[in-house]
Parts: sequence; structure tokens; C-alpha cells
Amino acid sequence: KAGVTQTPRYLIKTRGQQVTLSCSPISGHRSVSWYQQTPGQGLQFLFEYFSETQRNKGNFPGRFSGRQFSNSRSEMNVSTLELGDSALYLCASSLGTGGSATNEKLFFGSGTQLSVL
Amino acid sequence: GNSVTQMEGPVTLSEEAFLTINCTYTATGYPSLFWYVQYPGEGLQLLLKATKADDKGSNKGFEATYRKETTSFHLEKGSVQVSDSAVYFCALRSERSTGRRALTFGSGTRLQVQP
Repeated sequence: KAGVTQTPRYLIKTRGQQVTLSCSPISGHRSVSWYQQTPGQGLQFLFEYFSETQRNKGNFPGRFSGRQFSNSRSEMNVSTLELGDSALYLCASSLGTGGSATNEKLFFGSGTQLSVL
Repeated sequence: GNSVTQMEGPVTLSEEAFLTINCTYTATGYPSLFWYVQYPGEGLQLLLKATKADDKGSNKGFEATYRKETTSFHLEKGSVQVSDSAVYFCALRSERSTGRRALTFGSGTRLQVQP
């Protein structure tokens, strides 16, 4: 069974540009979450999607947005890039059904390393 | 709000040494606790978890016990190997936190094991 796939693996952009990152969850998983990882702030929750609907959002500005498609694939978009947006962006998928949500296992992709120059 | 505090790294050990990485937490409600591991160039992998007080999670020789009275979830391994070199993250997830599936992570502890 294929794992969580994130593309591209590396991305270099300049300030003011926008960027779109893609995440394909494990087959059968309906929930996708996004996290930002930086040396200074560590791992921070961005948002979560389930059945094409954003369920939860972390404390990030509106420049960060996302969506989920009917096949559960997800994209996140960052507009008007700033130097501080340089980070590893991790996507995680989970089944999204049944049981306690707090116990549901998350499967992470290898991430997209975004560098803003 | 929820928070997780981990010991600062890097932790450098010789092969076969005993490992402890401290983790304490603050949370509303009754969180589930996790340890994730990140190898160089890879995403996070779940190492072990515990969902209620006094539960012990274990995997690949690693163990951690959910201590509600001390709000701790310290990671231990009796004999580390070079292949254990990685960054370890303590995390929690609470029904009352932002997003039922959102994890709150500690800052991570880098472990370096020397042959």
C-alpha cells in the first residue's frame, strides 16, 4: 500500500510569489492534515480537511489556504510568500472514520521543503 | 491551551547506552500522548502511543508510560543503536484542543548514537 505522497519534494520561490503544494493520502484515508515545521517554531498545525470540508484551522494568516478534492487528495496554497514561510510542510492522512478521533493514527508524508528567497 | 515541553538536544550517547528523553505536557481534558520519530530527510513516523493514565506504550525497544500525576511521558530505551539516531518528538492530542485530530508537538530532541 502506497504511503502519503507529497509533491514537489523541494521548491524555491521568491518573496511575493504564491505556491501550491500537493498531498495524496493513503488509499482509503479521508482525512488530511497539514503541518509546518521550522527550526524556530517547531511543528505547527495548519489545517485539517475531511470529505472536502475544512474541519479545523490552526493559528496562521489567511495567506495560507487549502482544499480537498473528492478523491481525498489535498492541496495547500500560500500566497504573497514571505521569507518566514520557508519551512518543511508536512501532510498527514488518517482514516477519518470511527473510533475516538484522538486515538486515530496519522501517517505522515516526507514533506515539501519550501525555500523563499 | 495545550503545550508539550521536551528536553533540549542534542543527546549524544554511545551504542548500547540507556536512553531517556524527558517530556512533560499541559492539556485540557484527557489527552492521548505520542512519540514520533523523524529520520533525516523523512517525515514523521509514529513510534508509540498511550491513551490513558498509567498506559505504557512500547515499540522497537522504546517505552513510555503515561503519568497523569506528573503530567509526563518520558521516552526510554535500554540499549540504543546507531540506527536510532534521529529526532524524537513528543506530542499530544486532546478532544478539546484545536482540531480533534490536530497534534501539539514538543520542539523535538535530536539523538546521536556513536558506535
